[in-house]
Amino acid sequence: GAVVSQHPSWVICKSGTSVKIECRSLDFQATTMFWYRQFPKQSLMLMATSNEGSKATYEQGVEKDKFLINHASLTLSTLTVTSAHPEDSSFYICSATRTGKETQYFGPGTRLLVL
Amino acid sequence: GNSVTQMEGPVTLSEEAFLTINCTYTATGYPSLFWYVQYPGEGLQLLLKATKADDKGSNKGFEATYRKETTSFHLEKGSVQVSDSAVYFCALSASYPSNTGKLIFGQGTTLQVKP
Repeated sequence: GAVVSQHPSWVICKSGTSVKIECRSLDFQATTMFWYRQFPKQSLMLMATSNEGSKATYEQGVEKDKFLINHASLTLSTLTVTSAHPEDSSFYICSATRTGKETQYFGPGTRLLVL
Repeated sequence: GNSVTQMEGPVTLSEEAFLTINCTYTATGYPSLFWYVQYPGEGLQLLLKATKADDKGSNKGFEATYRKETTSFHLEKGSVQVSDSAVYFCALSASYPSNTGKLIFGQGTTLQVKP
């Protein structure tokens, strides 16, 4: 139990385009999902907290107009990187929890490369 | 602010060697402490956790004890296997001023076990 999937696992796009990444909790309802960014050989940096049915809460320094997060249902959250640029290339990871304060279950990550 | 510091890697060991990965933290109050493992090409998996002082988390032969007096949560295993090769992340979830469920990660320690 507690499986989280992400789609796509890999995406390559041209600079200026938008990319949507999906995060799904497959066997439980997730009231809260978290989005992280991981640079090569570095730690995970929390970008935002997403609660079902409400606006996401962004960490300081994260552009909310650049990284659009939608948590429309208890099993799906999406991260859209708008007008992507090469500096947005990274590994994006989501996690999900049942209540927001329990153990986080992580997705396998999505590698984004912006050319 | 809250932070987690891990020993720098990579750590290279021979099979059946003893493993210690140091982790210290800075936090107000009584955070929950976690070790996550990331195998190559996969997402993070919870390895073990401890929620209060002197608790010992254990799983798959790994152990870590929550030491409030030294603000540490060192990961140990008595006999490592090649299959333990992965990146290990220490993390905390702060309880003060409120329990938001957010995780703060250390920088990760790469473990390579040679046959």
